[in-house]
Amino acid sequence: DAKTTQPTSMDCAEGRAANLPCNHSTISGNEYVYWYRQIHSQGPQYIIHGLKNNETNEMASLIITEDRKSSTLILPHATLRDTAVYYCIVSSGSSNTGKLIFGQGTTLQVKP
Amino acid sequence: DTAVSQTPKYLVTQMGNDKSIKCEQNLGHDTMYWYKQDSKKFLKIMFSYNNKELIINETVPNRFSPKSPDKAHLNLHINSLELGDSAVYFCASSHPAGGWYFGPGTRLTVT
Repeated sequence: DAKTTQPTSMDCAEGRAANLPCNHSTISGNEYVYWYRQIHSQGPQYIIHGLKNNETNEMASLIITEDRKSSTLILPHATLRDTAVYYCIVSSGSSNTGKLIFGQGTTLQVKP
Repeated sequence: DTAVSQTPKYLVTQMGNDKSIKCEQNLGHDTMYWYKQDSKKFLKIMFSYNNKELIINETVPNRFSPKSPDKAHLNLHINSLELGDSAVYFCASSHPAGGWYFGPGTRLTVT
């Protein structure tokens, strides 16, 4: 079972920031928070991941609360091509034992 | 360059047939996976191989048999196909520090 809780759907205006929340209250100390997205029926695409510090890359920013029980993915300037299902996943990241368990995700609709 | 590739992209076949899906990754990763996405869009892990050794088998019917000839390839063979096997199958690979990379998917339709 997925260990995260996300809203089922969200809307965002094009050009505005999209803030996608995720709750992971049972996260373990060695587990990372990963964000992936799936555009239509393509393969899931990696966005960003973090352990406890906030992270930023060319796609997005990840804000993790101090207690690590929740996080927020921020797409700073959403475009129509960002319309997708966004998955928040916690995993140890170890190739031998870690695995990605996908929940329902959040369907983000970016509107013109 | 394609990091994780799958063939075929589409596969339409009849019940009872046997079919295979191939996966190759050129990332040098040691671990590869098969995921299944059903009509309800849930992505579920099926198998994981690390350096040609099976490490995860998520209660998948034994009609499904993964085969890893080398660490860059993980093929999925399905015997006696059933209607419920219709889904999109994704291959993925990962490196030791984490980070999973997915293929484009194979849409299997069983009629």
